[in-house]
Amino acid sequence: EAGVAQSPRYKIIEKRQSVAFWCNPISGHATLYWYQQILGQGPKLLIQFQNNGVVDDSQLPKDRFSAERLKGVDSTLKIQPAKLEDSAVYLCASSRRDTEAFGAFFGQGTRLTVV
Amino acid sequence: GEDVEQSLFLSVREGDSSVINCTYTDSSSTYLYWYKQEPGAGLQLLTYIFSNMDMKQDQRLTVLLNKKDKHLSLRIADTQTGDSAIYFCAVNAGNMLTFGGGTRLMVKP
Repeated sequence: EAGVAQSPRYKIIEKRQSVAFWCNPISGHATLYWYQQILGQGPKLLIQFQNNGVVDDSQLPKDRFSAERLKGVDSTLKIQPAKLEDSAVYLCASSRRDTEAFGAFFGQGTRLTVV
Repeated sequence: GEDVEQSLFLSVREGDSSVINCTYTDSSSTYLYWYKQEPGAGLQLLTYIFSNMDMKQDQRLTVLLNKKDKHLSLRIADTQTGDSAIYFCAVNAGNMLTFGGGTRLMVKP
């Protein structure tokens, strides 16, 4: 079974620029998550999708972050405009339905550096 | 919301047992997980335990859950240098997965 695919692996941008990340979840996984992991911290949930509907986006800074999941499969996360404090690893994860016993399976992440 | 706490750092000698601890606040948590993160890599699901269990063993890994104290631990038997990584506990409550800050395990030869 192929894992969660993310691209790009690395991105360096200047503050106030925009950036987009892409995620392809494991086939058949209905739930998709975007997490932000700042260096030295645990992952923080930004948004959770169930198929193509949003389950939770309470911690997503909606003034600058947006995410969509087209047709309940691939997802993109966008930041516009970026701030220095957005420097982090952005992790995408998927699970068969709600996490429950199946857990969530993570991609390798996109490391964003804002200068 | 859920608050998950872990100690920052643990150092052990190769061959010893490692015990990584985690505390959480939400008593309605259903499933609890341990993830491993190696440098530059994503999170790898190691094991999980359902909240009505006290213990789960999976090869060298033993998970202990004290639901009364809201305390979760991961014991790694015969710790190897390849076990050096950051270990995260994660708690599923209200269909949300909340992570602790991670414990960096260093294994000395």
